[in-house]
Amino acid sequence: DSGVTQTPKHLITATGQRVTLRCSPRSGDLSVYWYQQSLDQGLQFLIQYYNGEERAKGNILERFSAQQFPDLHSELNLSSLELGDSALYFCASSVGPEPREQYFGPGTRLTVT
Amino acid sequence: DAKTTQPTSMDCAEGRAANLPCNHSTISGNEYVYWYRQIHSQGPQYIIHGLKNNETNEMASLIITEDRKSSTLILPHATLRDTAVYYCIVRPPRYTDKLIFGTGTRLQVFP
Repeated sequence: DSGVTQTPKHLITATGQRVTLRCSPRSGDLSVYWYQQSLDQGLQFLIQYYNGEERAKGNILERFSAQQFPDLHSELNLSSLELGDSALYFCASSVGPEPREQYFGPGTRLTVT
Repeated sequence: DAKTTQPTSMDCAEGRAANLPCNHSTISGNEYVYWYRQIHSQGPQYIIHGLKNNETNEMASLIITEDRKSSTLILPHATLRDTAVYYCIVRPPRYTDKLIFGTGTRLQVFP
């Protein structure tokens, strides 16, 4: 158990819909990262927040957005969903922006039908 | 960002040492080498990281060559539960901790 929690575990929705994925970092961790893992793309970094502020952006689509709240939990919002958005979405956390190990949550499996 | 090259797959007998190589010939002086693993569809798990010196923890040892162009992750006594995809990652030098995962090495530990 990494100490990072993600909800929900599974999500099935239709194309065009909007969903919100939630992540709670390990106690004391200020950085939250979102990654997407699909069969054809592997693990892709989406975005990082540190202490409420966006820190780095990766291959995140404009239809996707994220935020980190004052209690440090984070939400990833996916809108206008397409079939290709079906993937595992992982959240990870670390103490801060310095080189540290990241701890990953169990992931949310999103299926868009 | 420095690119890494890993074998696609490897086998190892249970109880033997698993030595997973990684080539990162374009690594720059301030880039760290990280190793993570992912057991089928679970979240990736941090194993170890290093800059120049060899490192050891309760899970594994990391050997980095003197020129830093390659490294080896050693699992000293592999078990069936070590079957996973192992990722060697060179951390970008920018002030961010994002990890760029490649395709990794699929390690199969057999009885």
